[in-house]
Amino acid sequence: DAKTTQPTSMDCAEGRAANLPCNHSTISGNEYVYWYRQIHSQGPQYIIHGLKNNETNEMASLIITEDRKSSTLILPHATLRDTAVYYCIVRVAPSGTYKYIFGTGTRLKVLA
Amino acid sequence: NAGVTQTPKFQVLKTGQSMTLQCAQDMNHEYMSWYRQDPGMGLRLIHYSVGAGITDQGEVPNGYNVSRSTTEDFPLRLLSAAPSQTSVYFCASSYGTVDGYTFGSGTRLTVV
Repeated sequence: DAKTTQPTSMDCAEGRAANLPCNHSTISGNEYVYWYRQIHSQGPQYIIHGLKNNETNEMASLIITEDRKSSTLILPHATLRDTAVYYCIVRVAPSGTYKYIFGTGTRLKVLA
Repeated sequence: NAGVTQTPKFQVLKTGQSMTLQCAQDMNHEYMSWYRQDPGMGLRLIHYSVGAGITDQGEVPNGYNVSRSTTEDFPLRLLSAAPSQTSVYFCASSYGTVDGYTFGSGTRLTVV
């Protein structure tokens, strides 16, 4: 199963871009990278996912390196409400079934 | 759409009692999962289902049973509650194998 490595914590100034890195050097060719966040003790919230190409939606952008061994989640203009734990996940697919394995994530603190 | 609904939101059990955590989704999602989250930790997968009548074990299945008789419902049963099962339980669902998960708001369980 592909594992992910993320920094434990990061700070970002309000209004600036928040760049959250993730290492997934053992990712397989057909495995997607997903990002979720969890605010306080709420249920995790899906942000974005990608396979090879960079992706963008209304919440964030996902930049995946050409060798797919790492990725970066970008929140273009961080606000105080973006303070949360961010999880980078590689979807594992043993035996044709699919499940997520969560790590401990990056605790992002947006500073006023 | 209500999304993913979990009941109850809070529960206190005595050691040895049994109970069922309910999870229902109204989005016609095929994929459903149960996770537990302990203080300061990421989410750990308990059981998951890829469709009605099909379930499989995750990382920490011991002490829990699941069934999936309908697409909408995915209840989690604690057979004989133990203090080690004190945790926050999240249910999640997704439409397909690539789509992101929608999480419920969680059930906070305390076993005394």
